[in-house]
Amino acid sequence: DTAVSQTPKYLVTQMGNDKSIKCEQNLGHDTMYWYKQDSKKFLKIMFSYNNKELIINETVPNRFSPKSPDKAHLNLHINSLELGDSAVYFCASSQDNRPNQPQHFGDGTRLSIL
Amino acid sequence: AQSVTQLDSQVPVFEEAPVELRCNYSSSVSVYLFWYVQYPNQGLQLLLKYLSGSTLVKGINGFEAEFNKSQTSFHLRKPSVHISDTAEYFCAVSDTDKLIFGTGTRLQVFP
Repeated sequence: DTAVSQTPKYLVTQMGNDKSIKCEQNLGHDTMYWYKQDSKKFLKIMFSYNNKELIINETVPNRFSPKSPDKAHLNLHINSLELGDSAVYFCASSQDNRPNQPQHFGDGTRLSIL
Repeated sequence: AQSVTQLDSQVPVFEEAPVELRCNYSSSVSVYLFWYVQYPNQGLQLLLKYLSGSTLVKGINGFEAEFNKSQTSFHLRKPSVHISDTAEYFCAVSDTDKLIFGTGTRLQVFP
């Protein structure tokens, strides 16, 4: 059983398109996250939701819109894709949003913009 | 703001040799520190964490780390590495509501 699962694993698309990435966790956690990992492996948080409410939004362009239909799901929709959006996007979850809680990561979605 | 510095971007080592991956952090408050490992084409996996108490923390796969408050360090060590330890290792410090990651250290183990 995969704890944090993301789909799709690979996403290749053209500039200007709109795409979505889905994430689901079966750990019963309250908090979920989206991270972006660039080509130099640098990881930066984008969003965090706790009990379906947005608690972190790290100066991400408005083209990125997270949606949490329930505690177990956090999807990421990206409008008008740009070349600079090419990266690996990771979903993660934790028991709650206290700073001492370790995070569990999905295997990532590799987004390539042509 | 908190930050994490991983001084070595790459660490090459022969199998069965000891290894130390260095991590320094900056923080003006109490910290929680983590080491994660990322194998190729996979997500991050927790190796170990320091929350409080004993400064020597043991993790999975034979790794351990020592929290040193005076030197603001949290170096990761393993006494004898295996080929399968080849991966990217990330140190992270927990801010009030988010993890701040270092830039990663690529551990390459040679036979």
